[in-house]
Formats: sequence, C-alpha cells, structure tokens
Amino acid sequence: DAGVTQSPTHLIKTRGQQVTLRCSPKSGHDTVSWYQQALGQGPQFIFQYYEEEERQRGNFPDRFSGHQYPNYSSELNVNALLLGDSALYLCASSRDRLYEQYFGPGTRLTVT
Amino acid sequence: AQSVTQLDSHVSVSEGTPVLLRCNYSSSYSPSLFWYVQHPNKGLQLLLKYTSAATLVKGINGFEAEFKKSETSFHLTKPSAHMSDAAEYFCVVSHSGGGADGLTFGKGTHLIIQP
Repeated sequence: DAGVTQSPTHLIKTRGQQVTLRCSPKSGHDTVSWYQQALGQGPQFIFQYYEEEERQRGNFPDRFSGHQYPNYSSELNVNALLLGDSALYLCASSRDRLYEQYFGPGTRLTVT
Repeated sequence: AQSVTQLDSHVSVSEGTPVLLRCNYSSSYSPSLFWYVQHPNKGLQLLLKYTSAATLVKGINGFEAEFKKSETSFHLTKPSAHMSDAAEYFCVVSHSGGGADGLTFGKGTHLIIQP
C-alpha cells in the first residue's frame, strides 16, 4: 500500500513565476492538508481540502491556492513567487476528521 | 488560538542514556497533542499522540510522553537513546480529536546522539 506521494521532489523557479505541486493521498484517505516548512523551522499549515473544497486555511496569502480532485488527489498552486517561498512543501492525508495525518516526503522548492 | 513552545533547539545525549525533549503548549480548547519525528530526507512520522484518554502515552521505538495539564506540558522521554534516534523532533497541537485539522508545529528540537 503506497503512502502519500508528492511530485516533483525538487523544483527551481524564478521570482514572479507560478508553480504547481501535486499530492496523491494514502489509499482510503479523503482529506489532504498542505504545509510549508522553511529551513530550520517547523511546518506551517497552509490549507486543507475535503470533498473538493477548502475546509480550513492557515495564515497564508491568496497567492497560495489549491484544488482537490474527485479521486482525492490535490494540487498546491503558488503565484507570483517570492524568494521567501523557498521551502519544503509537505502534503499530508487523513481519513476524515477523526484520524491522524500521514505525511509525504515533500517537494523542495527553490526560488531564485 | 493555539501554540507550542519547544524549550530546547538542540539536545545532545550519549548513546544508552535517557532522552528528554521538552514541550509546553497553549490552547483555548482541550488540545490533542502529538510528537512527530523527521529524519533527514524523510517524511514526518507520528511517534505518539494524546487525545484526552490516558495522560501517559506510549509511542513507537520506546518513546513516551506525559500530558500535564497543570503545567501545560507534554515532554517526550525515552529511557535509553539509540544512534538511530538522531533526528528532528516536533511537538504539535491540534484542537481536533484525531489531529485531522490543521496542525500547529513547534520549531523543533534537534536530537544529537553521541557514541
């Protein structure tokens, strides 16, 4: 049984560009959350998707947007990239509200 | 609002000696508390969780943590450190019972194991 998978593993973008990161949840999970982990820091919650809708959102600007598909996979989009967006982006999945989150290995985004 | 404070950014112990990683929390709700571990170039792994049942929680790999409401603490301990325990440890709070809502992470404690 595959766990949470994310693609790509690494990405380099230029300031002002847009990026899309992808996540496939663990089998049987229907809820996907995204986190940003800057170097040397703990992950910060960006938002959570359930039933194809954004259910919760952390303190991130609307340059950060997402989508969830009927098969529960999810995308994180970031527009107008800033140097400060360089981070490890983690996806986590869970089975409804009652169960803990399982994390993927992350996508390392570098903005130059 | 909820937050966690990990009191030590780095902890260094010798192999075979006890480990103590300290965490204090703040929450407006009855919190659920977790410890996650992150090994280099690997995903976050759940060590243990407290969700208002027994205050002493046992996790994987010999780790345990005790919820102390009066001290608003949730310290992580292990009786005997192993080299494979070297990693980054995060104390996490959530106000949902299972931790399925957005999690609030501490800044992490880097555990170093000396041979």
